[in-house]
Amino acid sequence: AQSVTQPDIHITVSEGASLELRCNYSYGATPYLFWYVQSPGQGLQLLLKYFSGDTLVQGIKGFEAEFKRSQSSFNLRKPSVHWSDAAEYFCAVGASGGYNKLIFGAGTRLAVHP
Amino acid sequence: EPEVTQTPSHQVTQMGQEVILRCVPISNHLYFYWYRQILGQKVEFLVSFYNNEISEKSEIFDDQFSVERPDGSNFTLKIRSTKLEDSAMYFCASSEQAADTQYFGPGTRLTVL
Repeated sequence: AQSVTQPDIHITVSEGASLELRCNYSYGATPYLFWYVQSPGQGLQLLLKYFSGDTLVQGIKGFEAEFKRSQSSFNLRKPSVHWSDAAEYFCAVGASGGYNKLIFGAGTRLAVHP
Repeated sequence: EPEVTQTPSHQVTQMGQEVILRCVPISNHLYFYWYRQILGQKVEFLVSFYNNEISEKSEIFDDQFSVERPDGSNFTLKIRSTKLEDSAMYFCASSEQAADTQYFGPGTRLTVL
C-alpha cells in the first residue's frame, strides 16, 4: 500500500539557517510527489511537485526538493529560512495512473527562531 | 489567479444533524476531491469525483457521506447524520486532469457538538 513517512514531527531552526525536511514514500510504481505548506488556519498551498525528468525540482518561496528513487525519498530544502516559513509542511504521493488520490505524510511543523 | 473556494469557513452542528459543505472548484478543472484533517492528524483522502460519478472512495466515506455536483460550478459534500468523530477540517481540491496537481481550498472547519 502507498504510504508517506515524515520522520520529524517538529523542527526548530534559526532564521537564516538552512533547512531540510525529510520525506520517504512507499509506492510500487512511479510516484508523483508533492510538498504542500499549511500556515495556521489556512489551506494547503503547493510548494513544488515532481512528476518526471530532472530529479531536482524548484518551487515557490525559494524551496527545492530532490527525488532519489534509490532511497525512496523526496526531501525538501531551503538554503536560508525566513521567519515567515514557520508553518506545517506535508509531503504527499499520488498514483501515476488512475485518479491520483493523494496520500499525505503526518506533516512536519517548522518553528523559526529569530 | 484562479482558486478553489469553500463555504462556510466554519460550521457548528449538533450530533445527528445533516450538513452540506460547499466548494467551487477551479472553472476548467474536471476532477474533484474531498479530504479531511482531524485536528493534529494527517490529511486523509475521502473521495474523488469525475464525470458526475465517484471514481474512488476511502473506507472513511461510508453511507453517511455523499457528494454531488448540482450545477456547473459547485461541488458538495453531505454528511447525513453527523457524529462527534466527524469534527475535522474538510478540504476540497480540484485538478485539470487525473494525474495532475491538485489545488486545495481553504477548508471548512466542522465542529459537531
